Amino acid sequence: AQSVTQPDIHITVSEGASLELRCNYSYGATPYLFWYVQSPGQGLQLLLKYFSGDTLVQGIKGFEAEFKRSQSSFNLRKPSVHWSDAAEYFCAVGARGGATNKLIFGTGTLLAVQP
Amino acid sequence: DTEVTQTPKHLVMGMTNKKSLKCEQHMGHRAMYWYKQKAKKPPELMFVYSYEKLSINESVPSRFSPECPNSSLLNLHLHALQPEDSALYLCASSQLDGSYGYTFGSGTRLTVV
Repeated sequence: AQSVTQPDIHITVSEGASLELRCNYSYGATPYLFWYVQSPGQGLQLLLKYFSGDTLVQGIKGFEAEFKRSQSSFNLRKPSVHWSDAAEYFCAVGARGGATNKLIFGTGTLLAVQP
Repeated sequence: DTEVTQTPKHLVMGMTNKKSLKCEQHMGHRAMYWYKQKAKKPPELMFVYSYEKLSINESVPSRFSPECPNSSLLNLHLHALQPEDSALYLCASSQLDGSYGYTFGSGTRLTVV
């Protein structure tokens, strides 16, 4: 069964600083990988996704993520954080194919942005 | 139309009430999902429907009863809930194999009193 680990529960960065959120996955094949963002009391917004091909994926709001098969990682990055980026970030892995398709989330990383 | 619409946005119900949550999508997706999210926790999968048939039930108590009347609609019927069932309930849809991603609704905030 697939699983996702986000080792950082809470991260604080200064506005304008760079950001990297870590994500490690466990899955028997090449998975579908996703990053979602959730503001308080809101639903989930998709930032970016990886299915195949180029391992560096560009997303919305200036985010990017790199798939590293050898490390089973899919870390999210942003070169310069804005105060509006403060939110909860979830990495997720999707099992491929068939009727037993499911999306499993990591525990999330709460991002705080200091002025 | 690239949205998943959930109604109502907020719901307060007593432990003896019967209520339903509704979810609608018009993206042609043939897989639909219910997730439950407690405060400060990740979403947890409850049910998966594929081609309007229940394909996954993650050992959810029978007081939660899903229904998929057609390929665009997904309901979650609630009966005799407990206060610990209070949570954000999220609906999502996708292509059958998850390709192109999963689209989530904004959720229903449920409070059981």
